[in-house]
Amino acid sequence: AQSVTQLGSHVSVSEGALVLLRCNYSSSVPPYLFWYVQYPNQGLQLLLKYTTGATLVKGINGFEAEFKKSETSFHLTKPSAHMSDAAEYFCAVSPTSGSARQLTFGSGTQLTVLP
Amino acid sequence: SQTIHQWPATLVQPVGSPLSLECTVEGTSNPNLYWYRQAAGRGLQLLFYSVGIGQISSEVPQNLSASRPQDRQFILSSKKLLLSDSGFYLCAWSGGIYEQYFGPGTRLTVT
Repeated sequence: AQSVTQLGSHVSVSEGALVLLRCNYSSSVPPYLFWYVQYPNQGLQLLLKYTTGATLVKGINGFEAEFKKSETSFHLTKPSAHMSDAAEYFCAVSPTSGSARQLTFGSGTQLTVLP
Repeated sequence: SQTIHQWPATLVQPVGSPLSLECTVEGTSNPNLYWYRQAAGRGLQLLFYSVGIGQISSEVPQNLSASRPQDRQFILSSKKLLLSDSGFYLCAWSGGIYEQYFGPGTRLTVT
């Protein structure tokens, strides 16, 4: 079975500072990996994904994440936080085979950006 | 382009009343469809998924049921709501390979 651990349920950064949101997964084989963002009372929006190929993936809004197989990690970063980045972020994994490709989500990290 | 709709956006229902939430997808055919629940301060819990018309898989035993009467329509139902059914319900679709795309959600409050 797959599982996802997001370290830190709440993260606060100053505007302009580096954003680092941590995600570690547990899986018998490397899964597909995703980061989603959720603004209050809205659905989830895909930020970026890793399936195959380059382990550093770039997404929307200046975010990027690096897949590190040896560390079973997929941490999300952004060089300079903006007030509009304040939201909840979810890391998710899915198997690389099967018809339904169910996503397993982490418990989420609430990002606060301080002025 | 593909679009996913959910309605209603918000719903307040008394305990013991029935429930029907609807999700429709436009711009794609034969999608995989999913229902998730997000309780306050918690992550997403997969409730049901469907790979085709009339094909429903349940992930957790609960007071809810799902149906897929048409290719791009997914319905979440309950005959009698419980207080514990309160939450934010999200529908999602995928093309079956990689990511899922989420709808705007329905906020359900059971009183």
